[in-house]
Amino acid sequence: DTAVSQTPKYLVTQMGNDKSIKCEQNLGHDTMYWYKQDSKKFLKIMFSYNNKELIINETVPNRFSPKSPDKAHLNLHINSLELGDSAVYFCASSRRDRGEQYFGPGTRLTVT
Amino acid sequence: GIQVEQSPPDLILQEGANSTLRCNFSDSVNNLQWFHQNPWGQLINLFYIPSGTKQNGRLSATTVATERYSLLYISSSQTTDSGVYFCAGPETSGSRLTFGEGTQLTVNP
Repeated sequence: DTAVSQTPKYLVTQMGNDKSIKCEQNLGHDTMYWYKQDSKKFLKIMFSYNNKELIINETVPNRFSPKSPDKAHLNLHINSLELGDSAVYFCASSRRDRGEQYFGPGTRLTVT
Repeated sequence: GIQVEQSPPDLILQEGANSTLRCNFSDSVNNLQWFHQNPWGQLINLFYIPSGTKQNGRLSATTVATERYSLLYISSSQTTDSGVYFCAGPETSGSRLTFGEGTQLTVNP
């Protein structure tokens, strides 16, 4: 009965590699988000999609590219990983624009 | 964008004590959420509370939208309440949640 799921839960990789994180929600929501939580636990929005269309794109390096194949999925692809990309990445979803957001379990990315 | 300020930044309690966490916003928000991030990193929804008061067991929350603040009350705290408590709200013109820096709560047995 997982509402918002993410894979993988942990990701350890070397600098320069390309990696993807997947997110799926079974809540029937039409808006999905990616947030980044840094080492000081500060949470910040990265992207938001509504009905597969990008509606929020914060100041994030071009190496990060979200893709939404359908309303239930939002994936995050990261190229040329850097040490500073190490963080926990959370996916979230909501019923409508501005609705209550529900978060996935997070993906802890460690770049060595 | 809006600024979200949480206080206190850190709080240490003995089991059974009560506490109040505060969240101030620099501008109007059209809704507000409280989350608990447990020691395993999960973000758990506590309240979705644009205004008024809600209660859920030992926890309750009050939002006074006109004065741009919200309070989270924890009564009879338990060790499982430990973790970081975040408040967050979107700007009135959009859906992005702006988070406060959190209150780190430690409940000792």
